[in-house]
Amino acid sequence: QVQLQESGPGLVKPSGTLSLTCAVSNDSISNTNWWSWVRQPPGKGLEWIAEIYRSGSTNYNPSLKSRVTLSLDKSKNHFSLKVTSVTAADTAVYYCTTRRWGDTYFDPWGQGILVTVSS
Amino acid sequence: EVVLTQSPATLSLSPGDRATLSCRASQDIINSLAWYQQKPGQAPRLVIYDASNRATGIPPRFSGSGSGTDFTLTISSLEPEDFAVYYCQQRTNWPPLTFGGGTKVEIK
Repeated sequence: QVQLQESGPGLVKPSGTLSLTCAVSNDSISNTNWWSWVRQPPGKGLEWIAEIYRSGSTNYNPSLKSRVTLSLDKSKNHFSLKVTSVTAADTAVYYCTTRRWGDTYFDPWGQGILVTVSS
Repeated sequence: EVVLTQSPATLSLSPGDRATLSCRASQDIINSLAWYQQKPGQAPRLVIYDASNRATGIPPRFSGSGSGTDFTLTISSLEPEDFAVYYCQQRTNWPPLTFGGGTKVEIK
């Protein structure tokens, strides 16, 4: 089964840019999957951020769209998330996950990475 | 945006009890509903998709039902490993794709 692993800095300064990468193994990022990011503030629920397809097509949560950019690197078989102008409200565990074309649910998920926004 | 309201927020039960979790959508989402289980320090795990289909490896004590705006996740007889937080999620009317606020199933 496909496996996902997030990586990136665990600490970002306020007003800075959060950058994370999700490495995909046991599958190709060029297959018919949408590749997504979901976050979870400490002690709170899940929030969908955005997703990207192999063609580069993207879907964004309107509440975050102005600050979020997704990209994918087929040569490295990974996809990435950037969130600009971060504040303490962006402190969360960030998960990468995936859904197959036509499916409406996510499976599987990466283990998650905690990103703290603090000076 | 489709708002998913889960109830109750917390369910205090004993092993062997039956658990009934509710997820109500603010609009008709047909059967496009998934349930996830999340244990402390772990990523969510898919339990049910398309309202009533068990995900791979999920035991038959888990069942999902409902359509339209009202959905239910039932655990017929709780095992110790079932105590966790459960989230519902929809992707019919989007963006954004949305999650419910979660129901914590705790040991009584």
